[in-house]
Amino acid sequence: GESVGLHLPTLSVQEGDNSIINCAYSNSASDYFIWYKQESGKGPQFIIDIRSNMDKRQGQRVTVLLNKTVKHLSLQIAATQPGDSAVYFCAENSKGGNKLVFGAGTILRVKS
Amino acid sequence: DAGITQSPRHKVTETGTPVTLRCHQTENHRYMYWYRQDPGHGLRLIHYSYGVKDTDKGEVSDGYSVSRSKTEDFLLTLESATSSQTSVYFCAISELSAARETQYFGPGTRLLVL
Repeated sequence: GESVGLHLPTLSVQEGDNSIINCAYSNSASDYFIWYKQESGKGPQFIIDIRSNMDKRQGQRVTVLLNKTVKHLSLQIAATQPGDSAVYFCAENSKGGNKLVFGAGTILRVKS
Repeated sequence: DAGITQSPRHKVTETGTPVTLRCHQTENHRYMYWYRQDPGHGLRLIHYSYGVKDTDKGEVSDGYSVSRSKTEDFLLTLESATSSQTSVYFCAISELSAARETQYFGPGTRLLVL
């Protein structure tokens, strides 16, 4: 909800532009990564995932890029719309583990 | 919300009282999880279950207990609520383990401990 947004980095984009949200992960043993979107007052919603044997994966208007060399994950949203305004989280799973570790999130604000 | 309901959706309670939150799923998924979400933190795992009567601790399990007597229900209990447990609590489910597929989240429960 709205309280989740405190102290989070914010990305402001114009409607129709592309958005790039970044995430750094620390565990080189992580082999599964997920992006979630969370709108105010709702639970996180799955967007797209990627495994470590891939560098890129595309969905509808979204692309996830994985750079294992620098342990970096990014989410690209094409033609950003007002409905894309939300907090975006990345999550990682260590190989063979039963748990996800979540980043703190980035606020995306879309200006009309 | 992928066939997941949480109850209650909002609760206000006093310090020292017991509180139980319920997560119910209609997907028949094997894994169920309880997270808490606080400002400035990502979602943090409290406990999870990998089957009926099979549970394990997460990174912030102190002060919480869980039970899973049926596939569809996962209960989170605060035995004696403290103000530090004021948070938004999310339940999540998955058929496969976290290493193999994503988790789907419920709508959340806002808990205020006075």
